Amino acid sequence: RKEVEQDPGPFNVPEGATVAFNCTYSNSASQSFFWYRQDCRKEPKLLMSVYSSGNEDGRFTAQLNRASQYISLLIRDSKLSDSATYLCVVNEIGTYKYIFGTGTRLKVLA
Amino acid sequence: NAGVTQTPKFRILKIGQSMTLQCTQDMNHNYMYWYRQDPGMGLKLIYYSVGAGITDKGEVPNGYNVSRSTTEDFPLRLELAAPSQTSVYFCASSFRQGGTYEQYFGPGTRLTVT
Repeated sequence: RKEVEQDPGPFNVPEGATVAFNCTYSNSASQSFFWYRQDCRKEPKLLMSVYSSGNEDGRFTAQLNRASQYISLLIRDSKLSDSATYLCVVNEIGTYKYIFGTGTRLKVLA
Repeated sequence: NAGVTQTPKFRILKIGQSMTLQCTQDMNHNYMYWYRQDPGMGLKLIYYSVGAGITDKGEVPNGYNVSRSTTEDFPLRLELAAPSQTSVYFCASSFRQGGTYEQYFGPGTRLTVT
């Protein structure tokens, strides 16, 4: 089983739609969780950290479920500019080690 | 404030050649990392550093070396390049924000070994 698993997609959604991605992780000792966005042929950029209580940043909402070992990202009112690959990243407790998922591709269609 | 910068942006190497990928950050971050990303794959950690003079291996260190003589610079050395090292290389740095370490990436170096 991979340490961090994501559905590769692509998710093709119309503008204005709501879309959700899930990511599962295998190490219960994982401490910190992040969503990164990566545009084609560009570097990953931090979208948001994921906190135990869940957190929201504008149209983006992240949730953490430690019992089931998954995190989620919800994007509301999708924009064309949201088209990208979304990377789930998990940090192991007590280490500087980050485990990256392979990413979920999102295409927002006009 | 340039963030994390990497040079070169692109490079083509012949098998057996050597090169150094440069990485510099101006955010005074203690932690720095080198990753490689192959097509359709997640980022794999090559080496990391928790401060000047301290480096450690990641998941895929074979064929690479690093040094960290200053807080700002973290060069990655490839000795005897092989086609399997064809990849995109990202350097990153991080600092502690609350209880987490948020990473910031450079623009990457696209390396082809033929």
